[in-house]
Amino acid sequence: AQTVTQSQPEMSVQEAETVTLSCTYDTSESDYYLFWYKQPPSRQMILVIRQEAYKQQNATENRFSVNFQKAAKSFSLKISDSQLGDAAMYFCALEYSGAGSYQLTFGKGTKLSVIP
Amino acid sequence: NAGVMQNPRHLVRRRGQEARLRCSPMKGHSHVYWYRQLPEEGLKFMVYLQKENIIDESGMPKERFSAEFPKEGPSILRIQQVVRGDSAAYFCASSPPGKAGAEQFFGPGTRLTVL
Repeated sequence: AQTVTQSQPEMSVQEAETVTLSCTYDTSESDYYLFWYKQPPSRQMILVIRQEAYKQQNATENRFSVNFQKAAKSFSLKISDSQLGDAAMYFCALEYSGAGSYQLTFGKGTKLSVIP
Repeated sequence: NAGVMQNPRHLVRRRGQEARLRCSPMKGHSHVYWYRQLPEEGLKFMVYLQKENIIDESGMPKERFSAEFPKEGPSILRIQQVVRGDSAAYFCASSPPGKAGAEQFFGPGTRLTVL
């Protein structure tokens, strides 16, 4: 079974500053995928960034980057130059597809507030 | 290309009634997933379907819940004899066929309230 833990229920950041959201996971598999999803007040889930476990290079998408530490089973999200529109719930998720199912296992989320 | 569509967006039912939630995947997507989000919680996987097949229902409650994805038409999540504990947001997601690690595109969700 896979588990995902987000230990920060809430975080805040000043506009234009940088913030890092933490995520740890547990899986016995070696081949899996990791995701960060954003859920704004509209509740629409939006993919922020994804990482293949077999790739050592950390994924980046514009102002969003990850610090993927496979041995430590850690997958943190860094948001640079924070903007008001970044305020949302952020969910870390893991997909193990070895059993033929592509289900996502989500953490409980981190609520990010951006202070003007 | 329209995104994943879910309807209704809000559904109110009294205890004991049936709830039917519909999901139309993105064009070209043949994989559909249903997730449930309780208040202050992350999304929990319920079921994964392909056209006319249930692939993984390991997250579905054993009773009262069923899902289908017919050859024609939307995927349906059906909850019979609803109870207050079924009140939640239900999200549908879709993805292209047969690719591990593919992005799942989410619909806007259906918020079910059981009175």
